[in-house]
Amino acid sequence: GAVVSQHPSWVICKSGTSVKIECRSLDFQATTMFWYRQFPKQSLMLMATSNEGSKATYEQGVEKDKFLINHASLTLSTLTVTSAHPEDSSFYICSANAAGKIYEQYFGPGTRLTVT
Amino acid sequence: AQRVTQPEKLLSVFKGAPVELKCNYSYSGSPELFWYVQYSRQRLQLLLRHISRESIKGFTADLNKGETSFHLKKPFAQEEDSAMYYCALSIQGAQKLVFGQGTRLTINP
Repeated sequence: GAVVSQHPSWVICKSGTSVKIECRSLDFQATTMFWYRQFPKQSLMLMATSNEGSKATYEQGVEKDKFLINHASLTLSTLTVTSAHPEDSSFYICSANAAGKIYEQYFGPGTRLTVT
Repeated sequence: AQRVTQPEKLLSVFKGAPVELKCNYSYSGSPELFWYVQYSRQRLQLLLRHISRESIKGFTADLNKGETSFHLKKPFAQEEDSAMYYCALSIQGAQKLVFGQGTRLTINP
């Protein structure tokens, strides 16, 4: 149980376009979802926390107009990278908390974004 | 500010040898600490958390508040333990995790 999926697993887009990444909890309801960014050989950096039906809380230094997060249901959160640039190329990972297990996060497999 | 430090980026030991991955934290509140593991080409997964005091795959970790440490230990390393290990701190009430830089553990045959 407690599986989190991400789609797509990898995407290449041109500079200036927008890209949407989906994060789904497959067999549980996720009260909270988290979006991380991971640079090569570096740790995960939390970008934002989203709760179903409310606005995401962004970490300091993360542009909320650049990285749009929507958490429309208890099983789906989306991250849209708007007007992508090469420096946005990275590995984006989502995670989710199950109801009643606020300190245990289940991670998705990640999405590799390459902006050309 | 909350911070998690893993001083070793790389750690290599021989099979059967003891392993210790170091983790130190900085947090003014009551910490919740975790170890996550990422095997090659797999997603990040929870290995253990201090509050459960479990031993998972032979690994244990004890929270030492005096030294603000949460080192991960295993008495006899196995080749399948080769992976990336992340120590993480959960900020009380905020649910979010602060990760250390990670330690890549390689077990040599």
